[in-house]
Amino acid sequence: AQRVTQPEKLLSVFKGAPVELKCNYSYSGSPELFWYVQYSRQRLQLLLRHISRESIKGFTADLNKGETSFHLKKPFAQEEDSAMYYCARIRNEKLTFGTGTRLTIIP
Amino acid sequence: GAGVSQSPSNKVTEKGKDVELRCDPISGHTALYWYRQSLGQGLEFLIYFQGNSAPDKSGLPSDRFSAERTGGSVSTLTIQRTQQEDSAVYLCASSLPPVPGLEREQYFGPGTRLTVT
Repeated sequence: AQRVTQPEKLLSVFKGAPVELKCNYSYSGSPELFWYVQYSRQRLQLLLRHISRESIKGFTADLNKGETSFHLKKPFAQEEDSAMYYCARIRNEKLTFGTGTRLTIIP
Repeated sequence: GAGVSQSPSNKVTEKGKDVELRCDPISGHTALYWYRQSLGQGLEFLIYFQGNSAPDKSGLPSDRFSAERTGGSVSTLTIQRTQQEDSAVYLCASSLPPVPGLEREQYFGPGTRLTVT
């Protein structure tokens, strides 16, 4: 079975400090991975996907097949980054989510 | 344009009653998904519809859960004889038709919060 692990339920970071949200996945072929974000009172939305190798809102995520990881990083946290973040893997159109990390940026 | 909509936004029901949750996908999206977000289990896949194909029901937790999609658009998730462990936020998502080798972005609705008392 596919598994996506986010080891941190809660993460607090000071504004301006670097952020890293961890995500590991169970090995199985060529994974396609995403980060989804849910801001307070908003719906779940796609933040970024690994195949596009883009930076969204200053966030990047690199797929490391050797470590089976897809950690989300941002060099300088902003208050508006406070949200719930979910790492997810897709296979046959079905998403498997991690349990999520609640990120709080301390002003 | 309008995003995925779901109704009701909140539903409180008594244990043992049946409930129906509705999802209106984005126009032109042939794929529709139901997920459940609960405290104990996180976000779980429930069921997937793609066009006129038979749905993938592999995530439904029990035979009390069923879903249908009429006319390739609106979908209804039905939970019969609700139990307290069914309390969760039920999310619907939709996406464009699949393309070989490309996983389409799924657009989520606001969810229906179901509370079984």
